[in-house]
Amino acid sequence: LAKTTQPISMDSYEGQEVNITCSHNNIATNDYITWYQQFPSQGPRFIIQGYKTKVTNEVASLFIPADRKSSTLSLPRVSLSDTAVYYCLVGDSSNTGKLIFGQGTTLQVKP
Amino acid sequence: DTGVSQDPRHKITKRGQNVTFRCDPISEHNRLYWYRQTLGQGPEFLTYFQNEAQLEKSRLLSDRFSAERPKGSFSTLEIQRTEQGDSAMYLCASSRTGGETPRNEQFFGPGTRLTVL
Repeated sequence: LAKTTQPISMDSYEGQEVNITCSHNNIATNDYITWYQQFPSQGPRFIIQGYKTKVTNEVASLFIPADRKSSTLSLPRVSLSDTAVYYCLVGDSSNTGKLIFGQGTTLQVKP
Repeated sequence: DTGVSQDPRHKITKRGQNVTFRCDPISEHNRLYWYRQTLGQGPEFLTYFQNEAQLEKSRLLSDRFSAERPKGSFSTLEIQRTEQGDSAMYLCASSRTGGETPRNEQFFGPGTRLTVL
């Protein structure tokens, strides 16, 4: 499975838009790009998934350029409750049966 | 609540003892996964089931670890002769394959935190 590289940590303030970029230079043709969120002492939670271009849901947007070698998770107007670890994953667990997590990005939202 | 549940939430044991964890997936989900997470790291895949069949085991899963899903519903993860290095959060997840489900969407339980003294 393709490895991902993302910043270890980021700081933001309430009400700002946060963009977290992930690099996945070796992404395979059948890989999807997925982001998970994890709060302390909880299991990860699926946020959004995309294959190419832009995907938006009620929580976030995912921007994927044409070469698919990177992706950007955009969180609009963050609040203190968005403080969490965000994981970028690539793969297709419906075929492989597994998710491969990296270290993630720890987002700290300040008042 | 119809989410994934895990029992117990916390387990403290002495080195050399056996422990067993239980996971109850979302009822209509045919796949069940086990992951292990240590402090500051992302979850690591251990094994997964499709219905009652165990389809893959990670090399992380030594012969002291065994998982079952006897009737394709709940699952148990047993660790024999525990070691201090087994201390971690053990996460269970479930998913349903096919249909409109996003291919990488898994629903995680709250985890069982194991401490081996």
